[in-house]
Amino acid sequence: DGGITQSPKYLFRKEGQNVTLSCEQNLNHDAMYWYRQDPGQGLRLIYYSQIVNDFQKGDIAEGYSVSREKKESFPLTVTSAQKNPTAFYLCASSTLAGKNIQYFGAGTRLSVL
Amino acid sequence: KNQVEQSPQSLIILEGKNCTLQCNYTVSPFSNLRWYKQDTGRGPVSLTIMTFSENTKSNGRYTATLDADTKQSSLHITASQLSDSASYICVVSRGGSNDYKLSFGAGTTVTVRA
Repeated sequence: DGGITQSPKYLFRKEGQNVTLSCEQNLNHDAMYWYRQDPGQGLRLIYYSQIVNDFQKGDIAEGYSVSREKKESFPLTVTSAQKNPTAFYLCASSTLAGKNIQYFGAGTRLSVL
Repeated sequence: KNQVEQSPQSLIILEGKNCTLQCNYTVSPFSNLRWYKQDTGRGPVSLTIMTFSENTKSNGRYTATLDADTKQSSLHITASQLSDSASYICVVSRGGSNDYKLSFGAGTTVTVRA
């Protein structure tokens, strides 16, 4: 997990509510990523960012939003438009030269009440 | 389509025994292949990384092999310990402009019993 902190570890969302997952890294990495992990499936990319104030949609961005105001921080908001938010969410980071070598946080498990 | 298939889905072994996990991929162009260990409720941690020219890489009791011609990799766990109980994920990276797009297998869940 070293250097990437995700919080909270567990999060519960009520119907119609937006929730925000935090991801902070102290590795001085330029690139950061958000993945969703569901049982029996490989990780899927939600959003990624290569530089402050810039980010791109991944494969499953619908119902999610992000911001990148600081190099160290890349919060993910799960909006009410995401109808099936229950999953394990993983944040990762990498250098720009080594984008295929990503380091992961400990994850946040989101459940719907 | 860039895919990574892992087998078996799960396995149970007795402490001290060996096991081998398989990974087949269709990712192209290929850059490298990594095996990650993911403990329950935790993030994945890298075990090994191999590029096109490498066919074997070891990390303690973990040995990964790569056959780039057949696009197959295996992870061998020797003398298993209870702490080896985890999910093992095969991840393949592409080269070129999509190098940030990793292709993840669904993982093999290993349970080591005393």
